[in-house]
Amino acid sequence: AQTVTQSQPEMSVQEAETVTLSCTYDTSESNYYLFWYKQPPSRQMILVIRQEAYKQQNATENRFSVNFQKAAKSFSLKISDSQLGDTAMYFCAFMKLYSGAGSYQLTFGKGTKLSVIP
Amino acid sequence: GAVVSQHPSRVICKSGTSVKIECRSLDFQATTMFWYRQFPKQSLMLMATSNEGSKATYEQGVEKDKFLINHASLTLSTLTVTSAHPEDSSFYICSARDRGPGETNEKLFFGSGTQLSVL
Repeated sequence: AQTVTQSQPEMSVQEAETVTLSCTYDTSESNYYLFWYKQPPSRQMILVIRQEAYKQQNATENRFSVNFQKAAKSFSLKISDSQLGDTAMYFCAFMKLYSGAGSYQLTFGKGTKLSVIP
Repeated sequence: GAVVSQHPSRVICKSGTSVKIECRSLDFQATTMFWYRQFPKQSLMLMATSNEGSKATYEQGVEKDKFLINHASLTLSTLTVTSAHPEDSSFYICSARDRGPGETNEKLFFGSGTQLSVL
C-alpha cells in the first residue's frame, strides 16, 4: 500500500513571495503519477500540477513547480509570486498505474492549509 | 477541459431515509469513477471504485450494503446512502478517469462534491 505524508499542517506566505510545500511518499511501485491538488473554500478539487514518475524533468505550470526526487520519494510544490487566490488546502496525491487492483486510485496526504497574507 | 457534474451539492435528510448522489462526466467517457468521503478539515478517503458495467470495489471498512454504487453507463455513476444516520453526514466527492489519448495521459477530474447532513 502507498502512503503520502505532508508534514506541514499549516503554512503562511506573504503575497508575492515564494513558498514550498513538502510531500513525501512511500511505494514499491515503479509506474505512478504524483499530483498536487488545491481545495479552496468552495471545496472543489482543482488539479495544480502532475508529475509522471518516469520523467526526470520537474513539472512546471506557470507559477507552480515541483521538485521531484524519486530516490528520496520526495515531491515538493513551489508556488512563486503567491497570490491571494492561492489560499487553500493543498493535497499531495499518489496514483498507481497499470498494476491490477488499486490502479488509478488516488492516495492523498492529509493536506497543508496555505494562507496568503496581503 | 473535462467536466464532471455532481448533484446535489447539498442535501439534508432525516435519519433512516436514503439519499442518491449522481456523478456525470459531461464531455468524456469515464470507464472508471471513484467515490471519496471527506470529514471536516481532513483529507479525502477513497470509499469505492466504480467500473462501468461491473460491481464496485469497496475499500476496507466501507459497508457495501449501506453505500450502494451503480455505474450503469460510461457517463454516470450514482452513490446511494441507504438508511442514512447522523454519522453518515459528510462531504462526498466523485472523480472520473479520463484516459485521454495514449497511455501517458491519465487524468482524474472531480465533481464539486455533495454535503450530506443527516438529522
